Amino acid sequence: GNSVTQMEGPVTLSEEAFLTINCTYTATGYPSLFWYVQYPGEGLQLLLKATKADDKGSNKGFEATYRKETTSFHLEKGSVQVSDSAVYFCALSFTNTGNQFYFGTGTSLTVIP
Amino acid sequence: GAVVSQHPSRVICKSGTSVKIECRSLDFQATTMFWYRQFPKQSLMLMATSNEGSKATYEQGVEKDKFLINHASLTLSTLTVTSAHPEDSSFYICSARDRVAGGSYNEQFFGPGTRLTVL
Repeated sequence: GNSVTQMEGPVTLSEEAFLTINCTYTATGYPSLFWYVQYPGEGLQLLLKATKADDKGSNKGFEATYRKETTSFHLEKGSVQVSDSAVYFCALSFTNTGNQFYFGTGTSLTVIP
Repeated sequence: GAVVSQHPSRVICKSGTSVKIECRSLDFQATTMFWYRQFPKQSLMLMATSNEGSKATYEQGVEKDKFLINHASLTLSTLTVTSAHPEDSSFYICSARDRVAGGSYNEQFFGPGTRLTVL
């Protein structure tokens, strides 16, 4: 089957610290991989994506590399800011199956000044 | 970016009543909308896929007679929880796919969610 396993939170970091949120997946096929972010009171927003192995998605200082050999898509940021406090969801989807998304459980990040 | 709204954002109802949740794509047309359910500290689970002008496709284990989905227009889908019970209390999130945008990944745009509490 298809599933996404995400590092459990909550995660609390000081401002300017390095962030890693682990994500691994199981998939029957070759999915596209995504990171979504949910700020308090808002909907999920696409943060970055990768559509094939070895692709690196990046946005707002965040990046993640599609690693087929380790079935992983870890999210990283070199220096977090207070404004990065949110819940982060890793997800996979197949473009030929109506775009059903499989989500991880979400990881809550709090950045303190 | 594309915006999806949900209404209401929060609803509390008595057991046995029905609740309707609306999902609207505000600045684009969506032939396909999706309904997800999220339990505390758990993943978003797809409940059903809603296509404009046709019947929704429900995921295994989701009761179609309990969770009625209507997608009457390209900008509106509704989820009605019929005869709600406390176990239906959850966070319901919709998403929509832009009928114009295509591409290899077909981004979905998510609403802010509706918190349903059944007493």
